[in-house]
Amino acid sequence: GQQVMQIPQYQHVQEGEDFTTYCNSSTTLSNIQWYKQRPGGHPVFLIQLVKSGEVKKQKRLTFQFGEAKKNSSLHITATQTTDVGTYFCAGYTSGTYKYIFGTGTRLKVLA
Amino acid sequence: SAVISQKPSRDICQRGTSLTIQCQVDSQVTMMFWYRQQPGQSLTLIATANQGSEATYESGFVIDKFPISRPNLTFSTLTVSNMSPEDSSIYLCSVGTRESGNTIYFGEGSWLTVV
Repeated sequence: GQQVMQIPQYQHVQEGEDFTTYCNSSTTLSNIQWYKQRPGGHPVFLIQLVKSGEVKKQKRLTFQFGEAKKNSSLHITATQTTDVGTYFCAGYTSGTYKYIFGTGTRLKVLA
Repeated sequence: SAVISQKPSRDICQRGTSLTIQCQVDSQVTMMFWYRQQPGQSLTLIATANQGSEATYESGFVIDKFPISRPNLTFSTLTVSNMSPEDSSIYLCSVGTRESGNTIYFGEGSWLTVV
């Protein structure tokens, strides 16, 4: 079945450093969504990418969808302690009518 | 985005019992899903809740263990039957609409501990 992997599994950074998580799907996706889950919380929607090669920015966060629509990345510039949490990608394949979540990347930011 | 309410938010359950989780949305939605998140893990799709018909279960999940109802476009229930400690997880309802570009949003989850 479809698998969505994320690397790294964990990342510790000093506050102010950059952070990137990568998402790779075993199948071509129709779209991909990114979520952030704070410790003790539920996943909160960040963004959806639909087009091949699409790049979207939200303040310090930059999201990219690969040309082949099988991979994606989330880059955070100058991390802050508020960025702490686990970041998940979720891939949607047309016709399946469901989202498969990536394995997640847990980010810790050291002040 | 839709407002999603889940009940209960937390519960401690005895082994062998069953618990029903409710998911109420403040507007009609096309898609409703139930996910499980075991401690420290990612989200695993249990099933798609289909309005007026049987849910579509993912591999490894069966109706006898996780019966699901969806009587209308705003409400669904998930029952966790004959619970064991391995069922201790967060259970999350998520919803989406085609109008929102199939974006799915999550309720706050139901944190179940089985003792």
